[in-house]
Amino acid sequence: NAGVTQTPKFRVLKTGQSMTLLCAQDMNHEYMYWYRQDPGMGLRLIHYSVGEGTTAKGEVPDGYNVSRLKKQNFLLGLESAAPSQTSVYFCASSYSSGGAYYEQYFGPGTRLTVT
Amino acid sequence: AQKITQTQPGMFVQEKEAVTLDCTYDTSDQSYGLFWYKQPSSGEMIFLIYQGSYDEQNATEGRYSLNFQKARKSANLVISASQLGDSAMYFCAMVDSGGGADGLTFGKGTHLIIQP
Repeated sequence: NAGVTQTPKFRVLKTGQSMTLLCAQDMNHEYMYWYRQDPGMGLRLIHYSVGEGTTAKGEVPDGYNVSRLKKQNFLLGLESAAPSQTSVYFCASSYSSGGAYYEQYFGPGTRLTVT
Repeated sequence: AQKITQTQPGMFVQEKEAVTLDCTYDTSDQSYGLFWYKQPSSGEMIFLIYQGSYDEQNATEGRYSLNFQKARKSANLVISASQLGDSAMYFCAMVDSGGGADGLTFGKGTHLIIQP
């Protein structure tokens, strides 16, 4: 099993450009998440999805859009990149809970620089 | 309001000593989960240990244990017999609503350096 994979691993964008980050998981998890990590900070939740076709906003959603057309994939889009979006982006997935909490499995991260 | 507080930005510890990394949390929910993750310099996030709010026993996973003090809202990570490979960032995280669907709230982390 590959677990959670992210593409690309690195990307440099110019201000105003757009891009899509792809996350894929092969563990049949219902829940998927996108986080960003900035220097000296923990991870902050951007958007999440509790199932195919559903998405919701997290703590820092502005400037991002997401889609979950297939259960195994969760896409993060930047329509018009800004320098403030320079960050490391992590995708994660987990089992659905039924009232219990499960650990999230993280992808390796995408390092994005916006100049 | 900050939900997870890690008060130790950095720690230096001698190899083979035990280490305690502090974490306090804030929630009004009765049901919540607490997690610790390790992030080595290579960048990946590695799950270490989990404690549920209703668990009466402290969680343990090999050399890792979680010192859960519910009344004080603290969830400290204890690493016994530290090793050089334990050098990394350590994050405490919590989920307290939506059965985990809402995602984790992370602290700012503690940078642990193990010295030989």
